[in-house]
Amino acid sequence: NAGVMQNPRHLVRRRGQEARLRCSPMKGHSHVYWYRQLPEEGLKFMVYLQKENIIDESGMPKERFSAEFPKEGPSILRIQQVVRGDSAAYFCASSPGGVADTQYFGPGTRLTVL
Amino acid sequence: DQQVKQNSPSLSVQEGRISILNCDYTNSMFDYFLWYKKYPAEGPTFLISISSIKDKNEDGRFTVFLNKSAKHLSLHIVPSQPGDSAVYFCAASTYKAAGNKLTFGGGTRVLVKP
Repeated sequence: NAGVMQNPRHLVRRRGQEARLRCSPMKGHSHVYWYRQLPEEGLKFMVYLQKENIIDESGMPKERFSAEFPKEGPSILRIQQVVRGDSAAYFCASSPGGVADTQYFGPGTRLTVL
Repeated sequence: DQQVKQNSPSLSVQEGRISILNCDYTNSMFDYFLWYKKYPAEGPTFLISISSIKDKNEDGRFTVFLNKSAKHLSLHIVPSQPGDSAVYFCAASTYKAAGNKLTFGGGTRVLVKP
């Protein structure tokens, strides 16, 4: 009964490279959320997806960031041309859906941009 | 614009005593509230939640109180144990069918002394 899985756990990129972060939701969960935590801050919502659909991307930076949740496979958060300010912990959460459902978080991917 | 605030960045308590964590919110649309616990290098772990139709919810050693008129909630941990030492995040959402993106406070670091 695996929980939310994220990989890689740690990712180091140089400025200008691309970062791909993966998230596999809990079994039976069809809703995926991505959050970012900058150092010494709380988590900030980025995007909410269901299978093959982006439902709410109001927290996503307008440029360089994109997300997908394909019919098969994990959800992907993609950051193009990374900059030092992208260094953060990125957390994925999943939920089964329904009124006031609870989100369960993965262990996070720590992105370091050199 | 911080819609959810945890004004105490840290809290130190003796083992066996009560830990009280506080959270304030400004958005009156929020009607579902959650507390998460986070250890370093791990994802947040769900602890307890409460909807705005209640003013109290209890689960074992954890009790959450909600004061809607004051837009304030608190988490009580009794008795506190050394394993409770972690960062605690308050989060707020809306009680709707899906897309319950969470707005987090900045966190309170709790240290339980043996």
